[in-house]
Amino acid sequence: QSVLTQPPSVSGAPGQRVTISCTGSSSIFGARFDVHWYQQLQGAAPKLLIFRNTNRPSGVPDRFSGSKSGTSASLAISGLQAEDGADYYCQSYATSLSGHVFGTGTKVTVL
Amino acid sequence: QVQLQESGPGLVKPSGTLSLTCAVSGDSISSTNWWNWVRQPPGKGLEWIGEIDHSGRTNYNPSLRSRVTISVDKSKNQFSLRLNSVTAADTAVYYCVRWGGDTNWFDPWGQGTLVTVSS
Repeated sequence: QSVLTQPPSVSGAPGQRVTISCTGSSSIFGARFDVHWYQQLQGAAPKLLIFRNTNRPSGVPDRFSGSKSGTSASLAISGLQAEDGADYYCQSYATSLSGHVFGTGTKVTVL
Repeated sequence: QVQLQESGPGLVKPSGTLSLTCAVSGDSISSTNWWNWVRQPPGKGLEWIGEIDHSGRTNYNPSLRSRVTISVDKSKNQFSLRLNSVTAADTAVYYCVRWGGDTNWFDPWGQGTLVTVSS
């Protein structure tokens, strides 16, 4: 069971902007804990996409951006490209479980 | 460049024990990082299993705690997962992944290994 809720799917045409929400309870999204995002291409292992809510690792295009406010976080993809079609997961730490948790995952489809 | 590589049987019988090993290269298992296992059933999302640090301290997902053991072998620079009393619901791709002690996120990930529970 996941305590971080994401929409099952989002879609957009090439060039458009899409956003993925990640919502949790206050026991997870306290001021203390960060949210990270991972991209999983078909048949591949997840890869770090955004760390500490808003930061991109080296090599990640700047069309990917993250934000966090209160008990929710968001991932935005601007200028959607065909290669962005993948599954995306948010992740944080749950004090109520004393462990890491992943979001339910969102499939991005590029139309 | 840090790399993680899972290994172990791809088929386990129901009620048996799933055993996997993760070999770490490019980093020391004795560093300040935590070493994790994450799994993904076919067509489903990611589930955190548990983690261990170099001293042997562990944290487990409460839903799996009664069946899981994670251990570390410093001499081989690797860590292992044991999951007992498996059922078909444990069929999944199992990933090993580093949680940076200084960075506090999951990176890098192993390529993953599919374990099927079937007779």
